[in-house]
Amino acid sequence: GQQVMQIPQYQHVQEGEDFTTYCNSSTTLSNIQWYKQRPGGHPVFLIQLVKSGEVKKQKRLTFQFGEAKKNSSLHITATQTTDVGTYFCAGYRGYSTLTFGKGTMLLVSP
Amino acid sequence: DGGITQSPKYLFRKEGQNVTLSCEQNLNHDAMYWYRQDPGQGLRLIYYSQIVNDFQKGDIAEGYSVSREKKESFPLTVTSAQKNPTAFYLCASSSSGTGANNYGYTFGSGTRLTVV
Repeated sequence: GQQVMQIPQYQHVQEGEDFTTYCNSSTTLSNIQWYKQRPGGHPVFLIQLVKSGEVKKQKRLTFQFGEAKKNSSLHITATQTTDVGTYFCAGYRGYSTLTFGKGTMLLVSP
Repeated sequence: DGGITQSPKYLFRKEGQNVTLSCEQNLNHDAMYWYRQDPGQGLRLIYYSQIVNDFQKGDIAEGYSVSREKKESFPLTVTSAQKNPTAFYLCASSSSGTGANNYGYTFGSGTRLTVV
């Protein structure tokens, strides 16, 4: 079945440094979504990418969808302590349910 | 405010007992989902329902049961057949749609189940 792989599993950065997490699928995705889960919290929807090669920005966050629609990335510029959490990518399987990656845990030191 | 309510927040279960986790939404969403989260394992799908009175097994349905008698409610029962039930359980809902019209999931705050 469809698998969604995320790397790295964990990253620790100093405040102000950039951060990138990568997501790769074994099959072509109709779209991809990104979620953020703060420690002790629940996942919160960030964004959805649909088109091949699509790039979207939300303040310091930049999301990309690959040309082949099999990979995606989330880049955070100049991290802040409020960025701490686990970032998940998720792709639709069979048009009905999301398959989540295992997430990248981001720790930001002040 | 619209949202999803999960209760209880913490639940302790003795071995051999069945327990039911509540999930209620007032977002008028058609689809509802149950995920299980273990450290380092991401989110794994237990059951999902796209319409009232219908539901489908996910990847790890063994030892769990659900019902969808009302659009707003999707309770999950963790049965004694579930060998390792200690986990964080998340309920989610979404508007129905396919392909590029899929919508993001709204998650509840979760129930942390511990077997004692």
